[in-house]
Amino acid sequence: NAGVTQTPKFRVLKTGQSMTLLCAQDMNHEYMYWYRQDPGMGLRLIHYSVGEGTTAKGEVPDGYNVSRLKKQNFLLGLESAAPSQTSVYFCASRKVGLSRSEQYFGPGTRLTVT
Amino acid sequence: EDQVTQSPEALRLQEGESSSLNCSYTVSGLRGLFWYRQDPGKGPEFLFTLYSAGEEKEKERLKATLTKKESFLHITAPKPEDSATYLCAVQAGGTSYGKLTFGQGTILTVHP
Repeated sequence: NAGVTQTPKFRVLKTGQSMTLLCAQDMNHEYMYWYRQDPGMGLRLIHYSVGEGTTAKGEVPDGYNVSRLKKQNFLLGLESAAPSQTSVYFCASRKVGLSRSEQYFGPGTRLTVT
Repeated sequence: EDQVTQSPEALRLQEGESSSLNCSYTVSGLRGLFWYRQDPGKGPEFLFTLYSAGEEKEKERLKATLTKKESFLHITAPKPEDSATYLCAVQAGGTSYGKLTFGQGTILTVHP
């Protein structure tokens, strides 16, 4: 049982390049989330998904797109990377049915955009 | 708008020196308050959930308490391995997807 895994762990992009971050969970959780963590800003929600085939915007969605084609996977895409997207990205998942249940986080992806 | 403020920003303790971390919050109908531990270069690790004022939970040297306006994470006789960033988050009532609002964290360093 690996929990929540993220690929890649590190990535350096040039401005304007695109990339996709992959999140996978093996806990059969319905809900999945993408956050970014910046110094002094705390964790901020980018997008989330309440089930396969559904996605929605969080508090900082601009410049990102997501897809949830399979229940266990949640992809975060950057179509045209900008230096402001330099950050550490975390994926999380949560079990549905328990309205107050905790979120489980992956190890993170450190992205640098030059 | 839901807000979470953690204090202090950083705390340095000697091994065995007990102390407390504070998490003040404003939220429309608290559904749950969560404490996480985050080690450098890793993702947040779940510690506790508190649901209502007066509730307390313990795990080893950590004890979390909750009032209507704030939560405390008490650390008793800390060890160097307790060094980490401690994050507090709240879930408001009325959010169907479990949205969490996080504080900025308290960086705890325990010296031997």
